[in-house]
Amino acid sequence: AQKVTQAQTEISVVEKEDVTLDCVYETRDTTYYLFWYKQPPSGELVFLIRRNSFDEQNEISGRYSWNFQKSTSSFNFTITASQVVDSAVYFCALSYNYGQNFVFGPGTRLSVLP
Amino acid sequence: DGGITQSPKYLFRKEGQNVTLSCEQNLNHDAMYWYRQDPGQGLRLIYYSQIVNDFQKGDIAEGYSVSREKKESFPLTVTSAQKNPTAFYLCASSTLTGGREGTQYFGPGTRLLVL
Repeated sequence: AQKVTQAQTEISVVEKEDVTLDCVYETRDTTYYLFWYKQPPSGELVFLIRRNSFDEQNEISGRYSWNFQKSTSSFNFTITASQVVDSAVYFCALSYNYGQNFVFGPGTRLSVLP
Repeated sequence: DGGITQSPKYLFRKEGQNVTLSCEQNLNHDAMYWYRQDPGQGLRLIYYSQIVNDFQKGDIAEGYSVSREKKESFPLTVTSAQKNPTAFYLCASSTLTGGREGTQYFGPGTRLLVL
C-alpha cells in the first residue's frame, strides 16, 4: 500500500526556534517522488520541493532544509529560525507509478508565536 | 503568467441544486485533479483526468461529476446527490513527462457553502 504518515498533528513554537516536521512514507515502487506543500490561511497549496527516489542528497533553500533517508523511509522538513509567516499547514506527499498516482499525508499545522 | 484559475472563489448552493466549479490551466499540463478539503482535514481526491475525454473516480466521487472536453479545462459539478457539499475545493494539474512528472500545482480554491 502507498501511504504517507505525518505523526505530528499540530506544533507550536516561538519565533526564531528551529522546528522539524516529520514525514514517513510507504511504497513498493522503486521509482517515486516526494513532495512538501505549504497551505497558508488563504487556502492555496504552495509547492515547496520535489525529490525523486534516486536522489538522497539533502537540500537547503534559505531557512528551509529537507532530509531524505530511504533507509528509514523518511523525508523530514526543517525550518530554521522560524517566523510568524511560516504559520501554515504543511503536507507531505508521495507520487508513484511514474507520477501518475499521488497520495497526501494528513498534514501538520505549525503555529509560530511572536 | 502561467497558472491555474478557479472560479468562483465562494459559491452558495441551495438544497437540491447542482452547481459547477470551474478550473482552467494554461500550463499545458496533461493531468488535472479535484480535491475536497473539510475544515481541519487533509485532502481527499474526488476525480482526476490524465487525458482529454477520459477521467477516473478518486476516493470520494459519489455525488460529483466531471468532464474533460479540453486539455485546459476540468469543471466539477456538485450534484444534489452530494448531501454534505460544504467544503473547500481545490483543483490541481501536473505534467506526466519531462522530468517534472508528478508535481501537482494548485489553484486558489473554491469555498462551497450550502444555504
